[in-house]
Amino acid sequence: GAGVSQSPSNKVTEKGKDVELRCDPISGHTALYWYRQRLGQGLEFLIYFQGNSAPDKSGLPSDRFSAERTGESVSTLTIQRTQQEDSAVYLCASSFDSGGVDIQYFGAGTRLSVL
Amino acid sequence: GESVGLHLPTLSVQEGDNSIINCAYSNSASDYFIWYKQESGKGPQFIIDIRSNMDKRQGQRVTVLLNKTVKHLSLQIAATQPGDSAVYFCAENAGGTSYGKLTFGQGTILTVHP
Repeated sequence: GAGVSQSPSNKVTEKGKDVELRCDPISGHTALYWYRQRLGQGLEFLIYFQGNSAPDKSGLPSDRFSAERTGESVSTLTIQRTQQEDSAVYLCASSFDSGGVDIQYFGAGTRLSVL
Repeated sequence: GESVGLHLPTLSVQEGDNSIINCAYSNSASDYFIWYKQESGKGPQFIIDIRSNMDKRQGQRVTVLLNKTVKHLSLQIAATQPGDSAVYFCAENAGGTSYGKLTFGQGTILTVHP
């Protein structure tokens, strides 16, 4: 597609439920990134993928958070047993993978609200 | 841990003025820096980047300056327009095995008055 696509754009869930957030990267981009943005704050790195492997998972805040990517395309971020503190905008980005730093292009995000 | 921060959380300017947004970073190993613009309800949009082997880079109406001696980064916007109103973030990358990871600052809100 023309840009990074994320779905759903908004998600309201009850505390304790599991949620899945989806990211479709820009076609041809082999690197994919997930960030979290709390209200009025900057972006916190969660995880990034090179192809289907995730060399850096250091930003995942707890074992309730996981992400996978198949076919070097779509990625899903799963949050199990959601807590109110998980409420935030979850942003996905993609880039070429030159083996160094590449410009990351972002989607519009999924706004997650945990009641 | 390492962090990237901003001196001014808000900046208000008149249309046509030049704007300067500042950013301090603490990781001396960082070798790549990038500025993003984020409008309400949207994801961050790339503006300009700079590598540590440079001290200045210019784009269309924007200039990024890097001072490695004092670990300071700035974004200059010439002839600021109302459409430039947004939150601006600087971010850094330390390269090495973590080249996919950007560390973001808290953001500066730029408001341009017509």
